[in-house]
Amino acid sequence: AQRVTQPEKLLSVFKGAPVELKCNYSYSGSPELFWYVQYSRQRLQLLLRHISRESIKGFTADLNKGETSFHLKKPFAQEEDSAMYYCALFRFETSGSRLTFGEGTQLTVNP
Amino acid sequence: DSGVTQTPKHLITATGQRVTLRCSPRSGDLSVYWYQQSLDQGLQFLIQYYNGEERAKGNILERFSAQQFPDLHSELNLSSLELGDSALYFCASSVLAGNNEQFFGPGTRLTVL
Repeated sequence: AQRVTQPEKLLSVFKGAPVELKCNYSYSGSPELFWYVQYSRQRLQLLLRHISRESIKGFTADLNKGETSFHLKKPFAQEEDSAMYYCALFRFETSGSRLTFGEGTQLTVNP
Repeated sequence: DSGVTQTPKHLITATGQRVTLRCSPRSGDLSVYWYQQSLDQGLQFLIQYYNGEERAKGNILERFSAQQFPDLHSELNLSSLELGDSALYFCASSVLAGNNEQFFGPGTRLTVL
């Protein structure tokens, strides 16, 4: 079965410091991975997807199939980055599709 | 704004009651997903509908059911409510059943007293 693990429930950094939110997954198929962000219990917003290899709001994430990881990184954290971040694995089968989410990491960027 | 709407925003009810949560997907999206977000369980996939038919089931309790109507809006019915059902219920939509980009609604916060 697929599983997504975010080992850090809470992460606190100072403004301007680098930040890395860890995500590990287990999935027997070819993974499609995403990062979602949730500000103050608002709706979930898609931040990044691994297939697009883009940088959004200064965040990047690289899929490492050898380490089964998809860590989210930003070189210089900003206060407005404070939010809950979820790593998610998309699974599609003929029986349907779904996102499996990690437990989430609450990022706090201190001034 | 993702284009996905959910009503009501908040719902407070008592144990043993039944409630209905409503979701309208983005225009053109045929697939609707329901997720539950609670403090102890995190974000859990409940169920998926595509063009009116159930496509995938996750950790949905037997007390819960859902349907998708011809106009593609969806309703999640929660019955015999328990304290532990208190959570934020999100709806998401995507164009197709297997489309990996899901757009989330603002959620309905359910409080069971």
